[in-house]
Amino acid sequence: SQTIHQWPATLVQPVGSPLSLECTVEGTSNPNLYWYRQAAGRGLQLLFYSVGIGQISSEVPQNLSASRPQDRQFILSSKKLLLSDSGFYLCAWSVSGVGTVILRYTFGSGTRLTVV
Amino acid sequence: SQQGEEDPQALSIQEGENATMNCSYKTSINNLQWYRQNSGRGLVHLILIRSNEREKHSGRLRVTLDTSKKSSSLLITASRAADTASYFCATDAKAGGSYIPTFGRGTSLIVHP
Repeated sequence: SQTIHQWPATLVQPVGSPLSLECTVEGTSNPNLYWYRQAAGRGLQLLFYSVGIGQISSEVPQNLSASRPQDRQFILSSKKLLLSDSGFYLCAWSVSGVGTVILRYTFGSGTRLTVV
Repeated sequence: SQQGEEDPQALSIQEGENATMNCSYKTSINNLQWYRQNSGRGLVHLILIRSNEREKHSGRLRVTLDTSKKSSSLLITASRAADTASYFCATDAKAGGSYIPTFGRGTSLIVHP
């Protein structure tokens, strides 16, 4: 069956420290992968998406970067965290139907990042 | 800007009542999806309605789509305390050869037992 793993669940990091959040997908190949950030009580902001290994598209310029070193692995990174990077980070993958239309998104359980 | 916008932002009802949430979007779509998010958790896919469909049912969920008004509604009938969660609509915006998902800000539903 298809599953998505995201870790860690919670993270407290000091300002200026690096960040690495990892997401892996099982049970599918060549998925579309996404990183979202959700501020408290707000909607989801798409940060990065990837349609294949090494292919990363950034939606919002900011202090973060993403990489896809393997087909089913998506990593969100930062060299130096800012207070404004605090939030709930969600990884997701999607399957496509005919004509690349997305049929559904499957989300990981999220990482609560607090920058102090 | 947000493609999908839900309203109301917050909804508080008693158990057994129906809950209706609405979603408006701006551009043409292939399909529209509704998701549920429990506090501090990831989103869970509830239902998808295609652009050529007008209504769809799944258990206690009923989704309607009006492409002429660019709007959708999610109805939860006979609500339960366990339905307490945030509900999001999602649409796809085409960017190059890919479809980019866009979520609204969500409706926070509280069902009082």
